[in-house]
This record gives sequence, structure tokens and C-alpha cells, in this order.
Amino acid sequence: AQTVTQSQPEMSVQEAETVTLSCTYDTSESDYYLFWYKQPPSRQMILVIRQEAYKQQNATENRFSVNFQKAAKSFSLKISDSQLGDAAMYFCAYRSGNQGAQKLVFGQGTRLTINP
Amino acid sequence: EAGVVQSPRYKIIEKKQPVAFWCNPISGHNTLYWYLQNLGQGPELLIRYENEEAVDDSQLPKDRFSAERLKGVDSTLKIQPAELGDSAVYLCASSLRLAGANEQFFGPGTRLTVL
Repeated sequence: AQTVTQSQPEMSVQEAETVTLSCTYDTSESDYYLFWYKQPPSRQMILVIRQEAYKQQNATENRFSVNFQKAAKSFSLKISDSQLGDAAMYFCAYRSGNQGAQKLVFGQGTRLTINP
Repeated sequence: EAGVVQSPRYKIIEKKQPVAFWCNPISGHNTLYWYLQNLGQGPELLIRYENEEAVDDSQLPKDRFSAERLKGVDSTLKIQPAELGDSAVYLCASSLRLAGANEQFFGPGTRLTVL
């Protein structure tokens, strides 16, 4: 079974600075997808960024980028120019490339605090 | 376009009482998921529907939990009887099953408190 580990229960960063959230995963599959979700206090999970395992290029979405190291099974999220609205729980998630296995496997989450 | 709708947002019940949660997915999404999120944890899948068929319910505690998606649109998740350990957030998500990443869109969840 696949597992996802987020080793940082909490992180904090000064507004406008850069922060990196860590995620590692374990799988024997070669085809899969990785995601970072943001969950604010409203509880609604919002997709931040996704990465297809077959792509070597790291995904980027505006201020959010990932460092995908397939051999090391590492998938970190970098938030540049942190804003107060970035404060939330961040979850790393894995999904098999097998179309019959659609479920997301989540890590334990990292609570990100932005200091003004 | 409306997102995933869940109701109620909050529910407080006494233990041993029944409770039901409702979810209406994004229009046209054929795949619907129910996730359980315990406090301080990531969500875990309870059940997945493809249209009206439950295709993955291996993590659903079937002695007290049940779910249905009769017309392949909205869905209801029921607990009977509720136990103290069922206090959690119940998230519903939907996606359009296509090749590729199939982004899942989540609702705001129902926070259940069992007293």
C-alpha cells in the first residue's frame, strides 16, 4: 500500500518570505500523480498544484512550485512571497495512475502560519 | 458553476443516535467520494462511487455505516448507531472520470460531534 509522510507538523514564515514544505511517499508503482492541497479553517480542500510522475519538469503555479525527486520519492512544495492568505493546513497526496484506483492517499498535514 | 454541496455543515448528536450526511456533486461528475478526516489528520477514503455503483468501499465500517447514490447524482452517508469515536469531519468530493489526473473537487465537509 502507498503511504505519504509529512514530517513537519507546523511551519511558520514571515510574510513575503519563502517557505518549503516537505513530503515523502512510498510506492512500488511507476505511474502516479502527486498533489498539494490547501485546507483553510473553512475546511474546504483546495488543489494548489499537481505533478504527473512521468513528467521530469517540476510543476509551477504562480507563487507555488514543487521539487519532485522521483528516485528519492520526495515531493516538496515551495511557496514564494508568502501572503497572509496562504495560512492553512497543507496536505500532500498521492494517487495511483491505475484508473481503477482513484482514491487519494493523504499525508498527516503541515500547519503553515504566516507572520506579518 | 456551483461546487460540491454538503449539508449539514455541523451536527451534534448523542451517542447511539443515527445521523445522515448529504452531498451533491458538481454537475456532470460521475465519480463521488466520501472521506473521513479525524482531527489533525489527513482525509481517508470511506467509499467511492462510479455513477450509482460503489466500486471501492473497503474502508467503510459496514456494521454501522451505509451509503447510497441511487440515481448516480447526490449521495447520502449514514451512521447508525453513532459512537463517540465517529466525531470527525466527513468530506465529500467529486471528479469527472477521464484519463489523467482527474482532479477531485471537495465540499466544505460536515463536522460531526458525538456526545
